[in-house]
Amino acid sequence: AQSVAQPEDQVNVAEGNPLTVKCTYSVSGNPYLFWYVQYPNRGLQFLLKYITGDNLVKGSYGFEAEFNKSQTSFHLKKPSALVSDSALYFCAVRDTGNAGNMLTFGGGTRLMVKP
Amino acid sequence: ETGVTQTPRHLVMGMTNKKSLKCEQHLGHNAMYWYKQSAKKPLELMFVYSLEERVENNSVPSRFSPECPNSSHLFLHLHTLQPEDSALYLCASSQDLSRVTEAFFGQGTRLTVV
Repeated sequence: AQSVAQPEDQVNVAEGNPLTVKCTYSVSGNPYLFWYVQYPNRGLQFLLKYITGDNLVKGSYGFEAEFNKSQTSFHLKKPSALVSDSALYFCAVRDTGNAGNMLTFGGGTRLMVKP
Repeated sequence: ETGVTQTPRHLVMGMTNKKSLKCEQHLGHNAMYWYKQSAKKPLELMFVYSLEERVENNSVPSRFSPECPNSSHLFLHLHTLQPEDSALYLCASSQDLSRVTEAFFGQGTRLTVV
């Protein structure tokens, strides 16, 4: 079975500071990993994904994430946070051993960026 | 805009009503999904369709009935719902089930059962 955990319900950061949103996963095979963002009253928007290759993945709006196989983590990062980055962030995983393309989502982390 | 449109955006219904949620995508995707998003709970995958055939049903109560008449449209028919069914219902689509491509989500329908 596959699972993903986002240990922080909320992350607070000051504008201009670096931010990290944590994600750890558990799969039986190799993982495909995704980050999505959800703004108020909106659906989820795709940010970035890791399939294979370079462990550092760059995505939309200046976000990046680093795949760490030994720590089974895929933390989302941004060097300098903006107030407009405040939103709900979801990590998702798919096990390559899973025949279907079904994603398992984490519980979400609310990011609050203060001016 | 992601290319996935859901209607209505908001819906209030009584427990004896029958209503339907609609999802439409013109991205040429072959897979479509219904998710339920409740407060303080992870996203729950409800139904998956691939090429208009249902491929997964995650133990969803029969008061939720999906329909996929063609690859561009997906419906969720609702009847005799309970207050705990109040949630944001999200539709998504992806290229297909065989590729690891990202899913595109609609803006959701905020459902309130009274």
